[in-house]
Amino acid sequence: EPEVTQTPSHQVTQMGQEVILRCVPISNHLYFYWYRQILGQKVEFLVSFYNNEISEKSEIFDDQFSVERPDGSNFTLKIRSTKLEDSAMYFCASRPRGQADSPLHFGNGTRLTVT
Amino acid sequence: GENVEQHPSTLSVQEGDSAVIKCTYSDSASNYFPWYKQELGKRPQLIIDIRSNVGEKKDQRIAVTLNKTAKHFSLHITETQPEDSAVYFCAASTGNTGFQKLVFGTGTRLLVSP
Repeated sequence: EPEVTQTPSHQVTQMGQEVILRCVPISNHLYFYWYRQILGQKVEFLVSFYNNEISEKSEIFDDQFSVERPDGSNFTLKIRSTKLEDSAMYFCASRPRGQADSPLHFGNGTRLTVT
Repeated sequence: GENVEQHPSTLSVQEGDSAVIKCTYSDSASNYFPWYKQELGKRPQLIIDIRSNVGEKKDQRIAVTLNKTAKHFSLHITETQPEDSAVYFCAASTGNTGFQKLVFGTGTRLLVSP
């Protein structure tokens, strides 16, 4: 069964540094998402992406965040200047269609630790 | 925007018992309600989902019910086993057609004791 893949599995960075989290969505999927999960808390929506542009973003997704699909396969999340509170598990997800009857497939996540 | 409430936050049962987790949502336009199981340090995995035109769906030991009028939906696990121990999240799909996103509940930690 095809899977969403994310790299790295764990990223440690110092406060103020830039990080790029990488994702390869399932190949025939058209809608891409980033979610984050602070340890012990719920999964929170960050941003959705379709047709090479952001379709929706949450209040968490401020100017420090950006997403990009630099080629036909990768989907990246960049945090320009990390803060301690950015420490979380970041999940990439994709779905073949945007409609509700299209289940969301999650990657294994990148655990970001900001020190 | 959509708000999803989930109860209880923790649930302890004996092996073989049933477990029920309940969620409510606020946006009457939400029309898709998946349930995810998350084991420690792993990704959320879809275990069952239900569309708004269906009131109940069952898959072996797992069932989900939906009451659109009351805006609540529930997960039922029968004959629980220790490997059912995990955090379970409900979610509701909301947003404009074509750009729907999932809003998650706060999670229920289920512990099944042998």
